[in-house]
Amino acid sequence: DSGVTQTPKHLITATGQRVTLRCSPRSGDLSVYWYQQSLDQGLQFLIQYYNGEERAKGNILERFSAQQFPDLHSELNLSSLELGDSALYFCASSRAHQSSGNTIYFGEGSWLTVV
Amino acid sequence: AQTVTQSQPEMSVQEAETVTLSCTYDTSESDYYLFWYKQPPSRQMILVIRQEAYKQQNATENRFSVNFQKAAKSFSLKISDSQLGDAAMYFCAYRSSTTSGTYKYIFGTGTRLKVLA
Repeated sequence: DSGVTQTPKHLITATGQRVTLRCSPRSGDLSVYWYQQSLDQGLQFLIQYYNGEERAKGNILERFSAQQFPDLHSELNLSSLELGDSALYFCASSRAHQSSGNTIYFGEGSWLTVV
Repeated sequence: AQTVTQSQPEMSVQEAETVTLSCTYDTSESDYYLFWYKQPPSRQMILVIRQEAYKQQNATENRFSVNFQKAAKSFSLKISDSQLGDAAMYFCAYRSSTTSGTYKYIFGTGTRLKVLA
């Protein structure tokens, strides 16, 4: 158990709909990262938050948005869903300070199927 | 920009044998971290081993060890005494180290390891 919690674990929704994926980082971790992994593909970095602020953006579509709340949990919002958005969405967290550890820990992922 | 390359899409190894997975990276930084993650069929991402660039000694975790060649920008993973449970996708990852709280974790495309009984 990595300590990173993601909900829901599985989600099936129709095209055009909107979903929210939730992530609770490990206790003490200030940075949250979101990654997308399509079938048999590598991990595509979407976005990173540190202590509530957006710090880095990757290949995140305009239809997607995220935020990190004061309690450090994060949500990834996916709207106007398309079939191609079907993927495993990972949340990961890490300490931010160098002396506090430097490893990124992943949640179990949220499986999104768009039908 | 930093890049991570895994040139072996798939590898096979006989049970109990040793296999080495390759990873190269490109960076202009001198201080960084490198990782190997394992993704079994359950799709969970599991940390296997990590290496700090400033440490010359290669990291080891039980049957897993790395060959870190900083000048060559190479970071290979050696799995000794391979077991059926080692079958998975393995991702090499690079993390740039800053003091601002902003880190970039860049992943390679992965190597699928098959373990033959």
